[in-house]
Amino acid sequence: GAGVSQSPRYKVAKRGQDVALRCDPISGHVSLFWYQQALGQGPEFLTYFQNEAQLDKSGLPSDRFFAERPEGSVSTLKIQRTQQEDSAVYLCASSWGQVYGYTFGSGTRLTVV
Amino acid sequence: KQEVTQIPAALSVPEGENLVLNCSFTDSAIYNLQWFRQDPGKGLTSLLLIQSSQREQTSGRLNASLDKSSGRSTLYIAASQPGDSATYLCAVPFGNEKLTFGTGTRLTIIP
Repeated sequence: GAGVSQSPRYKVAKRGQDVALRCDPISGHVSLFWYQQALGQGPEFLTYFQNEAQLDKSGLPSDRFFAERPEGSVSTLKIQRTQQEDSAVYLCASSWGQVYGYTFGSGTRLTVV
Repeated sequence: KQEVTQIPAALSVPEGENLVLNCSFTDSAIYNLQWFRQDPGKGLTSLLLIQSSQREQTSGRLNASLDKSSGRSTLYIAASQPGDSATYLCAVPFGNEKLTFGTGTRLTIIP
């Protein structure tokens, strides 16, 4: 596609509910990243894929967070048993490689009530 | 660990003025630096990408410079317009490609 597509655009979850956030990267982009952005802050790294391999998940805040990219294209970020502190904007980015820079999606705003 | 700082945190200027946003980073071993714009409630839009071998990049009214040795980048906006109002973020890749972001400069252009 022409850009990075994320869905849903907004998600309201009750505390304890599981959620799944989807990212559809630019076709052919090898690298895919998930970031979390709290209100008034810069994005913080969560996890990184190169094709289907998850090479770095050091930014995932807890074992309730899980990401996958089974066929090396679309990725899903899953959050189990959501907590209020999970409320944030979740951004996905893709790239050919760091030399080429990164393209971000519009994000998913998650609100846990 | 790479740390990125942006100054000022917020800036308000009258329409038509030229302005400079600053970004500094602690580890000079970077491949490149990217400037983004973020409108309220939206994702990030890439403005300029400067490779480590370059000193500056230009796109329209925007000019970004990079001085690796001093760990600094500046984003110059000429003849500012109300549509330039947004938060501006700089970011550098650190480790295996993950980006480290500054906290941003919130720019308001006053008509």
